[in-house]
Amino acid sequence: AQKVTQAQTEISVVEKEDVTLDCVYETRDTTYYLFWYKQPPSGELVFLIRRNSFDEQNEISGRYSWNFQKSTSSFNFTITASQVVDSAVYFCALSSGNTGKLIFGQGTTLQVKP
Amino acid sequence: GAVVSQHPSRVICKSGTSVKIECRSLDFQATTMFWYRQFPKKSLMLMATSNEGSKATYEQGVEKDKFLINHASLTLSTLTVTSAHPEDSSFYICSASSRTTYEQYFGPGTRLTVT
Repeated sequence: AQKVTQAQTEISVVEKEDVTLDCVYETRDTTYYLFWYKQPPSGELVFLIRRNSFDEQNEISGRYSWNFQKSTSSFNFTITASQVVDSAVYFCALSSGNTGKLIFGQGTTLQVKP
Repeated sequence: GAVVSQHPSRVICKSGTSVKIECRSLDFQATTMFWYRQFPKKSLMLMATSNEGSKATYEQGVEKDKFLINHASLTLSTLTVTSAHPEDSSFYICSASSRTTYEQYFGPGTRLTVT
């Protein structure tokens, strides 16, 4: 069975704090893809990153960084020096097999206060 | 990145009527399109997968006769909510992908309110 768990329902931080959003996944497939999406209040999903199962290198993009660890089936997302504009719901998702279907986690609502 | 549009962005309809939502890939050929439903403060739940020219594959628990999906061309898929009821009110999001990439490009979503 495939499953994505985002245990943090809501996180509230003050601007400039660092924040890490957790994501744990389950799959029996050896080839799979992991994603992070941002959903601002407007509702439109914004793609942040895709990582395939064979690439465990961590990635940094500006204030965003991702830590992929197959040993713990985790794909955590860190925002450094958070800003109010980072306030949104963040979804972690998994795709495996050849259907391309995405399995989404429950989402984490991040509120960054000024 | 590739662009996917949805129309309409918002729709209000009366109970018992049918509503059609369009999903278009504007600058690439979408061999596969996905339809998701999202309740307030909830995650996205996959409703169905449609491949161009063939019948859609529905997820368990999704009524095929209520949510009609058509993927007649490589750039257009439609979702028709038939005989809508207030409990069908939701945010519907489509996504599209091509054979060349595992990437799914999401549309902006359609907010359906059934009164």
